[in-house]
Amino acid sequence: AQSVTQLGSHVSVSEGALVLLRCNYSSSVPPYLFWYVQYPNQGLQLLLKYTSAATLVKGINGFEAEFKKSETSFHLTKPSAHMSDAAEYFCAVILGNNRKLIWGLGTSLAVNP
Amino acid sequence: EAGVAQSPRYKIIEKRQSVAFWCNPISGHATLYWYQQILGQGPKLLIQFQNNGVVDDSQLPKDRFSAERLKGVDSTLKIQPAKLEDSAVYLCASSIGDGSSYEQYFGPGTRLTVT
Repeated sequence: AQSVTQLGSHVSVSEGALVLLRCNYSSSVPPYLFWYVQYPNQGLQLLLKYTSAATLVKGINGFEAEFKKSETSFHLTKPSAHMSDAAEYFCAVILGNNRKLIWGLGTSLAVNP
Repeated sequence: EAGVAQSPRYKIIEKRQSVAFWCNPISGHATLYWYQQILGQGPKLLIQFQNNGVVDDSQLPKDRFSAERLKGVDSTLKIQPAKLEDSAVYLCASSIGDGSSYEQYFGPGTRLTVT
């Protein structure tokens, strides 16, 4: 079955540390991949997307993600965490011919001073 | 460019009452989505419209939920009668819908509390 897996429902980092949020997908066809962020009491905001162009994708707020076909992964990184990065992060994938968006369960990022 | 608008932002009702949510997508976006997001979970697609036609409503509890997009622009989602388990954030999203890109743009959501 086609799916999206986010490893780690909760991630905690210190301010200034590297942020790494993991996303793996299963698909037999090239996917479209997205990362969304949700701040408390707000809707979802698109951070970045992969659409079969460059494998390293840069997004807003200093985030980037690398598409690795061999690992079926699309991990989200940021070199230095800010307190304002504390939020819920969702990986989502367009899979299959019906182009349905499949969501991961989300990773809650906490940034400690 | 104006984003996706939703109203109200918050709503508190008693069980068995009815409630309606409104969404106005980004201008020119043909595809409109309604999601339900229960606290601590990811979004669950309730219904997807392409213009004024329904593309996917497989997860919409049709005995109590209904949605329409009569003129292919704004949309309403209704719950009648509400149950306690309907307490959630209801998110509306839109996408351009012409196959050129698939990203969805979300509104701020409506937080529903059923007591």
